[in-house]
Amino acid sequence: QPLLTQPPSASGTPGQRITISCSGGTSNIGRNTVNWFQQLPGAAPKLLIYKNNEWPSGVPDRFSGSKSGTSASLAISGLQSEDEADYYCAAWDDHLNGLMFGGGTQVTVL
Amino acid sequence: QVQLVQSGAEVKKPGASVKVSCKTSGYTFTGHYMHWVRQAPGQGLEWVAWIDPSTGGSNSAPKFKGRVTMSRDTSITTAYLDLSSLTSDDTAVYYCARLNSTRSYRTYDYWGQGTLVIVSS
Repeated sequence: QPLLTQPPSASGTPGQRITISCSGGTSNIGRNTVNWFQQLPGAAPKLLIYKNNEWPSGVPDRFSGSKSGTSASLAISGLQSEDEADYYCAAWDDHLNGLMFGGGTQVTVL
Repeated sequence: QVQLVQSGAEVKKPGASVKVSCKTSGYTFTGHYMHWVRQAPGQGLEWVAWIDPSTGGSNSAPKFKGRVTMSRDTSITTAYLDLSSLTSDDTAVYYCARLNSTRSYRTYDYWGQGTLVIVSS
């Protein structure tokens, strides 16, 4: 099943800002909005960003999203130890008629 | 508050079928599509299928067509995923996720806790 493309890992020190990229195509990111999900170890995924750059209630504004063309990115500012998790981008795909996920990025706080 | 509570872990033999349930509460069941997403051990998230609880209409990813059946019981606000002809590759945690959509976006705003399905002889 096709995937959106994410780097497998990213890392930073506490307080640092890191970014995670997500690359897709015209049938997904190019035409539809991007979501980001955070998955802590052993837990279900949690919605972090929707509609490219909007936060659900309760998500700190240290997390921010952006989209340009067929790519998107998630930025985490003021990195904290509790941000260690897997992060997934996802966008509706018009060919699939379902949500297409990225392969996930494991974030490590050094 | 919105809740999605899934059925418990299952162990199945190759070739068997499994049915996972997702009991919902706290919102209008027929007002939101329900999606199913799975995650194999150590792997990423993979979209499986969706069902429209209002009409029963459904769709699945190409790799699951012919093997997956989605159903719902509106009287008990529960959605079901039935996967047949299981192989070891189907060993995964299966999540239900509520789709929240408007004209401008689609997202999963609530997830079930996950159901582990193990396929082993």
